[in-house]
Amino acid sequence: EVQLLESGGGLVQPGGSLRLSCVGSGFTFSNDAMSWVRQAPGKGLEGVSIISARGDGPNYGDSVKGRFTISRDNSKNTLYLQMNSLRVEDTAVYYCARWTRYSMDVWGRGTTVTVSS
Amino acid sequence: EIVLTQSPDTLSLSPGERATLSCRASRNISSTYLAWYQQKLGQAPRLLIYGVSGRATGIPDRFSGSGSGTDFTLIISRLEPEDFAVYYCQQYGNPPPFSFGPGTKVDMK
Repeated sequence: EVQLLESGGGLVQPGGSLRLSCVGSGFTFSNDAMSWVRQAPGKGLEGVSIISARGDGPNYGDSVKGRFTISRDNSKNTLYLQMNSLRVEDTAVYYCARWTRYSMDVWGRGTTVTVSS
Repeated sequence: EIVLTQSPDTLSLSPGERATLSCRASRNISSTYLAWYQQKLGQAPRLLIYGVSGRATGIPDRFSGSGSGTDFTLIISRLEPEDFAVYYCQQYGNPPPFSFGPGTKVDMK
């Protein structure tokens, strides 16, 4: 079964850092671009970042540029999101997703990040 | 930068009825880059349609997508009870990395 499983969410103070992880299974992880999408409470979906299958050419949404870093370790089938200088408005459920044909066909269940003092 | 708008905000229908959801882009989008997702409360989004009209694996044929340029449509031909959810359109690349419309909620009348 094709699966993605996120972890690493939690409660952090403004200005703090967190690293999210997403482990893929049931498919050849190193063949596919991957991304992070977030959803603030009661709000819509927001594209956070995307990374190619080889790990080059990452791209970021304007709201996280310069604060978040996406990376991957294909030997571990794992995608990461390093989040620094966190703000209250970064509070959201963070999903990882696999890209196929310019769309996201496999999603994890999400991990919740809460930024609050 | 391309902005996606969706209409209506909410669509109140009964099971068995036809649902027509609209997604409009502020500039032309390549057909390859337009997708639709369904999201139920407390769940991750699910890909329905890729490349404007391609149905994702396992998606029933009551879901269909169409459109070109700036105007795109998702049609649910006959609503089933499990179809009441929020639907998002998504475009790839402009602005990077990708963006979504604000969503249309399909709820039960």
